[in-house]
Amino acid sequence: AQTVTQSQPEMSVQEAETVTLSCTYDTSESNYYLFWYKQPPSRQMILVIRQEAYKQQNATENRFSVNFQKAAKSFSLKISDSQLGDTAMYFCAFMRAYNNNDMRFGAGTRLTVKP
Amino acid sequence: ETGVTQTPRHLVMGMTNKKSLKCEQHLGHNAMYWYKQSAKKPLELMFVYNFKEQTENNSVPSRFSPECPNSSHLFLHLHTLQPEDSALYLCASSQDRGWSNQPQHFGDGTRLSIL
Repeated sequence: AQTVTQSQPEMSVQEAETVTLSCTYDTSESNYYLFWYKQPPSRQMILVIRQEAYKQQNATENRFSVNFQKAAKSFSLKISDSQLGDTAMYFCAFMRAYNNNDMRFGAGTRLTVKP
Repeated sequence: ETGVTQTPRHLVMGMTNKKSLKCEQHLGHNAMYWYKQSAKKPLELMFVYNFKEQTENNSVPSRFSPECPNSSHLFLHLHTLQPEDSALYLCASSQDRGWSNQPQHFGDGTRLSIL
């Protein structure tokens, strides 16, 4: 079974600074997908960024980028130039690439961006 | 504007009540999911429907009864719940449970409180 671990329950960052959220996972699969979701106080889970395990290049979406270390089974999220609107819960998620590809989520990291 | 709509947004009920949660997706997806989100815990997958067929029941107590009349609608019928069932219940959809690279889209959730 796959497990996803987010070791930082809460983090804070000053507006305009950079913050990195950690995620590790455990799997015996060689092909899979990793995601970061954001859940603001409005509660809707929003997909922030995704990474295919077979791609060596780290995914980037505007101010959001990941550091994917497949051998270490690590998938951290870096938020650059943090904005107040980035305040939210962030969930790391793992999905197998084959049948029964349900997502497995970490417990989340609560990020607060301070003015 | 979310493609997955959940109603009601909030629900308070007694342990002997019967109520239902509703989820509707407007994305043309074929797979729908129910998750339970409790504080400081990973999202717990409860049920999965793929093309209206239940493909996953994650050892959920029988006091939770899902129903999927078509690929666009998903219900969660509640009966004789316990205080520990108080949580945020999230609905999600994806293109197809068998597709390997399609992330899930989430609704805003129903905040359920059991008195």
